[in-house]
Amino acid sequence: NAGVTQTPKFRVLKTGQSMTLLCAQDMNHEYMYWYRQDPGMGLRLIHYSVGEGTTAKGEVPDGYNVSRLKKQNFLLGLESAAPSQTSVYFCASRSPGTSGPDTQYFGPGTRLTVL
Amino acid sequence: AQTVTQSQPEMSVQEAETVTLSCTYDTSESDYYLFWYKQPPSRQMILVIRQEAYKQQNATENRFSVNFQKAAKSFSLKISDSQLGDAAMYFCAYRSANFNKFYFGSGTKLNVKP
Repeated sequence: NAGVTQTPKFRVLKTGQSMTLLCAQDMNHEYMYWYRQDPGMGLRLIHYSVGEGTTAKGEVPDGYNVSRLKKQNFLLGLESAAPSQTSVYFCASRSPGTSGPDTQYFGPGTRLTVL
Repeated sequence: AQTVTQSQPEMSVQEAETVTLSCTYDTSESDYYLFWYKQPPSRQMILVIRQEAYKQQNATENRFSVNFQKAAKSFSLKISDSQLGDAAMYFCAYRSANFNKFYFGSGTKLNVKP
């Protein structure tokens, strides 16, 4: 059981380049999330998905797109990277339920630098 | 949108002593969940403790306990018998029972002195 994995762990981009971050979970969770973490600001929600084929905007969606073609994968795309998108990106998943821990499980993070 | 406030950017505690981290939140909802997450230097986010708003009893997990004051919208974390391994960033988080979004505070860095 790998839990939540993120690929890649580190990446350096030049302004204007594009890239895709991959999140994969093997816990059969319905919900998946993408966050960014900046110094002094905690985690902010970018986009999330409540099931295969669905996506929704979070607090800071501008400049990002997402796709959830398979239940276990949640992709975060940057079409034209900007220095303001330099951050650590976390993916998380959880299983909805009326009982039980209802816990978010986080990936290890991706450190992205845009020059 | 809901807001979560952690007013202590950094705190220090002596090993084996007790420390309390503060968190307040703003919401108009009555049913929600509150969380404390720990983030050590490895960056991995780890759930420490969880509280359902409809439960009056404060949650406890070993050395970690919360003081949940619903009317005051306050959710503090108490760490007893602090250990060196408790040194980390601690984040308070909120989720509405009706929605799927989580809102995080800005974090408190906890230093543990030997």
